[in-house]
Amino acid sequence: ETGVTQTPRHLVMGMTNKKSLKCEQHLGHNAMYWYKQSAKKPLELMFVYSLEERVENNSVPSRFSPECPNSSHLFLHLHTLQPEDSALYLCASSQDIAAWNTEAFFGQGTRLTVV
Amino acid sequence: DQQVKQNSPSLSVQEGRISILNCDYTNSMFDYFLWYKKYPAEGPTFLISISSIKDKNEDGRFTVFLNKSAKHLSLHIVPSQPGDSAVYFCAASLQGAQKLVFGQGTRLTINP
Repeated sequence: ETGVTQTPRHLVMGMTNKKSLKCEQHLGHNAMYWYKQSAKKPLELMFVYSLEERVENNSVPSRFSPECPNSSHLFLHLHTLQPEDSALYLCASSQDIAAWNTEAFFGQGTRLTVV
Repeated sequence: DQQVKQNSPSLSVQEGRISILNCDYTNSMFDYFLWYKKYPAEGPTFLISISSIKDKNEDGRFTVFLNKSAKHLSLHIVPSQPGDSAVYFCAASLQGAQKLVFGQGTRLTINP
């Protein structure tokens, strides 16, 4: 149990669907992140939130829309995705963004398949 | 441009022997390096880290070595155990930056 919980664990959606991924942490951390892991590629950072404010958006297409309503919850809203968006989406949290030299805690990920 | 590279996608090691996982980086400004371990259907978990001011950090069976001149780090696991079978990710960070840069991962298999 890492303290970071992601739901759902698996998601299959059509290209015209709208769905949301949820991440929850009760570690008292102030920073949360969305990562994407495609097959045979490094983990790619998508979004960074610090104290519920987005501080980084790594050139992610607008069909991915993050939301951080409070420091414990992070959502990734998905709309009109493409098959190439199929990947493992990982949420992570850390004490704060200035302390990346402490380890981040990852959730188990959501395996997304776009059909 | 991939700043952190793990050139071996997979590695098989006999139980009890030493496992050596390698990682190369291109950005000399990286100041902190971490290794994560990932089991199937789970998120990565932190394993061990090293600051750029050090060249070695040891934690039980795990030792990380850093060679700044070669921009290379390695993770040594000795003795290797079946439970060590997993994907290992190398990651690097810049002071003041807000992210880790990950390598592609190396799948380690420990054979009985």
